Amino acid sequence: DTGVSQNPRHKITKRGQNVTFRCDPISEHNRLYWYRQTLGQGPEFLTYFQNEAQLEKSRLLSDRFSAERPKGSFSTLEIQRTEQGDSAMYLCASSLGVGRSGRDEQYFGPGTRLTVT
Amino acid sequence: AQSVTQPDIHITVSEGASLELRCNYSYGATPYLFWYVQSPGQGLQLLLKYFSGDTLVQGIKGFEAEFKRSQSSFNLRKPSVHWSDAAEYFCAVGADSSASKIIFGSGTRLSIRP
Repeated sequence: DTGVSQNPRHKITKRGQNVTFRCDPISEHNRLYWYRQTLGQGPEFLTYFQNEAQLEKSRLLSDRFSAERPKGSFSTLEIQRTEQGDSAMYLCASSLGVGRSGRDEQYFGPGTRLTVT
Repeated sequence: AQSVTQPDIHITVSEGASLELRCNYSYGATPYLFWYVQSPGQGLQLLLKYFSGDTLVQGIKGFEAEFKRSQSSFNLRKPSVHWSDAAEYFCAVGADSSASKIIFGSGTRLSIRP
């Protein structure tokens, strides 16, 4: 178990370009989450998957954002036509889902820091 | 709507001193509460969680937190801090019945004075 991994760790792009981030969850974790964290703030929920199914999307996830988890393992988050306001840390988390406690417990990756110039 | 408030943006304590980080939440039902720590370049690490039962929760790295329903608080404590505790600390509340969706506070940055 190597934990949740995210690639790339840093991405600098010009406004208007498309970017894609990848998240590899802990093996056998069937839930995967995406969060966005801006400077001086806590993470904000974006979306989450149960296996391949995207179960919830935040209003923060505009039409320019799309997330996929095609085989229920790794996930990608794509941002089209990036804007300077998209500059943030994008965090991924995974979990086993609701366990015996009836509650979820998420494990976070190191994040991908996006800078849009 | 659910929310979390961490009133202290930045706290500095001396190494070996005790620590208390404040957290207040707003939630209509029984809250599911978390404390996470984030070090530079690292992901969020779960320190402890409260789902039900004993209101004093023990976590990793010598941290504990106490759930006080009457005060809507979930303050984090440590009796003696170490230089390695310098980091950003986030309080969070589960926003649905299974705590799948988490709402975070804005964080408290902890600095340690040698």
